[in-house]
Amino acid sequence: NAGVTQTPKFRILKIGQSMTLQCTQDMNHNYMYWYRQDPGMGLKLIYYSVGAGITDKGEVPNGYNVSRSTTEDFPLRLELAAPSQTSVYFCASSYGRGMGNTIYFGEGSWLTVV
Amino acid sequence: KQEVTQIPAALSVPEGENLVLNCSFTDSAIYNLQWFRQDPGKGLTSLLLIQSSQREQTSGRLNASLDKSSGRSTLYIAASQPGDSATYLCAVISYNTDKLIFGTGTRLQVFP
Repeated sequence: NAGVTQTPKFRILKIGQSMTLQCTQDMNHNYMYWYRQDPGMGLKLIYYSVGAGITDKGEVPNGYNVSRSTTEDFPLRLELAAPSQTSVYFCASSYGRGMGNTIYFGEGSWLTVV
Repeated sequence: KQEVTQIPAALSVPEGENLVLNCSFTDSAIYNLQWFRQDPGKGLTSLLLIQSSQREQTSGRLNASLDKSSGRSTLYIAASQPGDSATYLCAVISYNTDKLIFGTGTRLQVFP
């Protein structure tokens, strides 16, 4: 079982560059999430999706964009990278939000903006 | 706006102790609450999920309780082991949203 797969695992960006963090899951999950985690902090929700074609903002959406054209994929786009976007990014998915709907996380993507 | 807080931020204990980690949330209208474990440099692993209608869930040496009216949950770890060393995070989904909001975590170290 591949679960939730994120790429790349590590990336260094220059200020003003753009990039896309890829996330794919093979569990036919409806719900997908993108979080960022700064050192010593909890996770902050960037964007989430409850199904293909549906996305919504989380707690810290500024500077990011997402799309959900398929059930499997939920890419996160960074436009005009800034040092404040240096963080670890986690993608997660679940079937729904009810009982038994365990949330699965990817291994994380370490992003440094210099 | 839902805010989730965890106390203590860090905890260091000798092996064998029974532990209590605390999680509080400001909006009691939650759909469920979950506890996760995060090892250094890794993603999160779900430990326990408690629906809003439930009072507690148990898995092995772990027991999580939920008091929705007071906005609190506790994670009880019995007979702690060095392998329990990790960061533990709680997260809630509020009833009128699909946002999963995390607390700041408790960093646990269990030494032999």
